[in-house]
Amino acid sequence: EAQVTQNPRYLITVTGKKLTVTCSQNMNHEYMSWYRQDPGLGLRQIYYSMNVEVTDKGDVPEGYKVSRKEKRNFPLILESPSPNQTSLYFCASSITGAIGNTIYFGEGSWLTVV
Amino acid sequence: AQSVTQLDSHVSVSEGTPVLLRCNYSSSYSPSLFWYVQHPNKGLQLLLKYTSAATLVKGINGFEAEFKKSETSFHLTKPSAHMSDAAEYFCVVSDSYGGSQGNLIFGKGTKLSVKP
Repeated sequence: EAQVTQNPRYLITVTGKKLTVTCSQNMNHEYMSWYRQDPGLGLRQIYYSMNVEVTDKGDVPEGYKVSRKEKRNFPLILESPSPNQTSLYFCASSITGAIGNTIYFGEGSWLTVV
Repeated sequence: AQSVTQLDSHVSVSEGTPVLLRCNYSSSYSPSLFWYVQHPNKGLQLLLKYTSAATLVKGINGFEAEFKKSETSFHLTKPSAHMSDAAEYFCVVSDSYGGSQGNLIFGKGTKLSVKP
């Protein structure tokens, strides 16, 4: 089954404790991205990757890091989480980064930073 | 610069009545436009997309949307609402110039409630 898998789905952590949210897709997609969703703000892009070893900042990259060492994986790293990073995070992928390609979303990761 | 405005944060309809979710966009170039649906505790799913082909776009689950360049609108409609349509809907715009999905802009969402 074609899917985008994120882990963990739910996490409560403390300020400053590094964490990684993993994302994996099994569709051999070139393009992957991370979004955060906050009430009343819709989805905002954090980082995206057009292909292996190619990453770019989205609209809200501050406080986040990513890497794309393999095509299927695109982890999101919070080096020193802060409470304003409490949010619902989505990983997404599409076959390429070209406009019009369908984007497939993971089921989301609820992150709470206390 | 591109932007997207969903005119209603919440829409409530009765089952069996029509649905209209409104979306206006701003784009300097020929935009691509999408509607996504998010059911509770789920990821987003593509309903339909417009990428400069037919202006009336049909999607899944009986939804459709019409691209109106003169009105800069891309409203989502369905003739008859079902209880299972209750969800949050996002209008998304991207400029085709530059060609990257990294330029997607999401609206703030419209929550659709369906009353029995």
